Amino acid sequence: DVKVTQSSRYLVKRTGEKVFLECVQDMDHENMFWYRQDPGLGLRLIYFSYDVKMKEKGDIPEGYSVSREKKERFSLILESASTNQTSMYLCASSGSLSSRYNEQFFGPGTRLTVL
Amino acid sequence: AQSVTQLDSQVPVFEEAPVELRCNYSSSVSVYLFWYVQYPNQGLQLLLKYLSGSTLVKGINGFEAEFNKSQTSFHLRKPSVHISDTAEYFCAVWPTNFGNEKLTFGTGTRLTIIP
Repeated sequence: DVKVTQSSRYLVKRTGEKVFLECVQDMDHENMFWYRQDPGLGLRLIYFSYDVKMKEKGDIPEGYSVSREKKERFSLILESASTNQTSMYLCASSGSLSSRYNEQFFGPGTRLTVL
Repeated sequence: AQSVTQLDSQVPVFEEAPVELRCNYSSSVSVYLFWYVQYPNQGLQLLLKYLSGSTLVKGINGFEAEFNKSQTSFHLRKPSVHISDTAEYFCAVWPTNFGNEKLTFGTGTRLTIIP
């Protein structure tokens, strides 16, 4: 079974703190994604990566950065957390469309609260 | 660019009644279509997907969806729902043009089953 794990299920941070959210997948997927989920807004793409050390901005990259030093790991970084970044963060991975894994597999999510 | 519209943000249904969750999309290129389900406090998991072939797609837990190219729709149906179907459902599209690996999600439909 494909597995995508996220380092924390719940996280509480203070305004201004630097926050790291980690995601690991075990299926050698090329693509990895970070989404933010808010009520009534669905899933919005923050950043994605299609290869090690490669990254692309999604729809809402402001206030976030990412790191992908190894193929299986994709980190989301909040350089200076703010209260409007309180949200559910979901990581996902996928192979290419032509691969066997032509769908996105999701982790369980991290619910981040910034006080 | 692509967009996905899920017109119904909430759908209450009595147990054992049928349900249809609507999804319409727009895209300048051909797309693949997906339905994901999110149970309370969990990540998303794939219900079903349409890549090619028969326009009627069957998924897990008794759900099915029909791709209608002329109406650009991919509605999700189940003939008889159970309490365990209470969840949020997301429709998504994936462009078929090479190199574009991003999913675009709708805003979700919260399905509530009434005993």
